[in-house]
Amino acid sequence: DTEVTQTPKHLVMGMTNKKSLKCEQHMGHRAMYWYKQKAKKPPELMFVYSYEKLSINESVPSRFSPECPNSSLLNLHLHALQPEDSALYLCASSQDLTGGRSGAFFGQGTRLTVV
Amino acid sequence: AQSVTQLDSQVPVFEEAPVELRCNYSSSVSVYLFWYVQYPNQGLQLLLKYLSGSTLVKGINGFEAEFNKSQTSFHLRKPSVHISDTAEYFCAVRHSGAGSYQLTFGKGTKLSVIP
Repeated sequence: DTEVTQTPKHLVMGMTNKKSLKCEQHMGHRAMYWYKQKAKKPPELMFVYSYEKLSINESVPSRFSPECPNSSLLNLHLHALQPEDSALYLCASSQDLTGGRSGAFFGQGTRLTVV
Repeated sequence: AQSVTQLDSQVPVFEEAPVELRCNYSSSVSVYLFWYVQYPNQGLQLLLKYLSGSTLVKGINGFEAEFNKSQTSFHLRKPSVHISDTAEYFCAVRHSGAGSYQLTFGKGTKLSVIP
């Protein structure tokens, strides 16, 4: 199993809603990542978890709240988002923070639209 | 710090013709290099990677890339493209040292295969 699974695939939410994005991997990877990708742009790193602990927060606004309940799961809780937060949110995982010899595996993403 | 430059934002090519997507990087330390492909409304899929050893790297879907340290390049090639190769291609670089989580992406090259 070399998959990173993200749910939902699409999400439309209002600016007052609270929603969560979910990410799951069963490759035994101990580093997991959230990226944000705007149209026609490369992915931008948001958060990095290593061994279920938050290692890196790339100055992301507090309306995005990550959570890593266990080594296989990564959530991104969303609250009071703005229309400019609409984007493709990608989850990735790697063996550890060095990436190992396999590099990072990405999920298919959640297409988020904030209305 | 490291950076990646993908010189062409768009590359149109006729079906069954060869293609080369260019990638140059800058870094003061040794790096690992990656090419990812992103099909419309999809996540990123790893095409190939260079970690060490042979400078010619073969990946999936008939793609290959050559690492040239003196020219700090990692160009992606395919001898004969297919319609299904139409996608966005991202070159990425990562510092090869410990704790080097940061995957730096180029801005992407949109490959359009013309029937």
